[in-house]
Amino acid sequence: EDQVTQSPEALRLQEGESSSLNCSYTVSGLRGLFWYRQDPGKGPEFLFTLYSAGEEKEKERLKATLTKKESFLHITAPKPEDSATYLCAAGLADSWGKLQFGAGTQVVVTP
Amino acid sequence: GAVVSQHPSWVICKSGTSVKIECRSLDFQATTMFWYRQFPKQSLMLMATSNEGSKATYEQGVEKDKFLINHASLTLSTLTVTSAHPEDSSFYICSARDYRVQHFGDGTRLSIL
Repeated sequence: EDQVTQSPEALRLQEGESSSLNCSYTVSGLRGLFWYRQDPGKGPEFLFTLYSAGEEKEKERLKATLTKKESFLHITAPKPEDSATYLCAAGLADSWGKLQFGAGTQVVVTP
Repeated sequence: GAVVSQHPSWVICKSGTSVKIECRSLDFQATTMFWYRQFPKQSLMLMATSNEGSKATYEQGVEKDKFLINHASLTLSTLTVTSAHPEDSSFYICSARDYRVQHFGDGTRLSIL
């Protein structure tokens, strides 16, 4: 059974305190590992797609990495505006676009 | 960048009412759109895949007669919740695929009284 697990469930950081979010996945035939950011009452906003182990992508204070079993989202020197729920999703082999989401990590960055 | 518009953003209605939610891809064409449901503090659960010009594909456990999907054009998919009841109250989100990435609308908060 395809499964995506994120940890921790919640993370509280001081501004400037770097940390990492974990996404472990068990899927038969990964078609991309996606990271999204979701603000309260909004739909997910696309951040990154990773396709192969060893791949890394960066955007401002965020950096995503991928291994054969998990992905990490590193937040470097976070600011309060980085507060959000971060979702990872595995693209499934049987359909382009079909995603299996993890439960998300809620990040709160305090000044 | 790719933009997906969803309307309405929130609906409050009485039990037994049918509610239609629209999902539009604004600057790209989408042969495939997706409908998700999200409960508080939980992740997105795929309900169905909407295919332009053909029948939608529903996930296991989703009642196709309850959640009617129509994808009549390359930029519009609609989800109709028929005879809605309080247990149908949820946050419904659509997405559309632009090349290899799904882009999401801002969701519809549905509250059935």
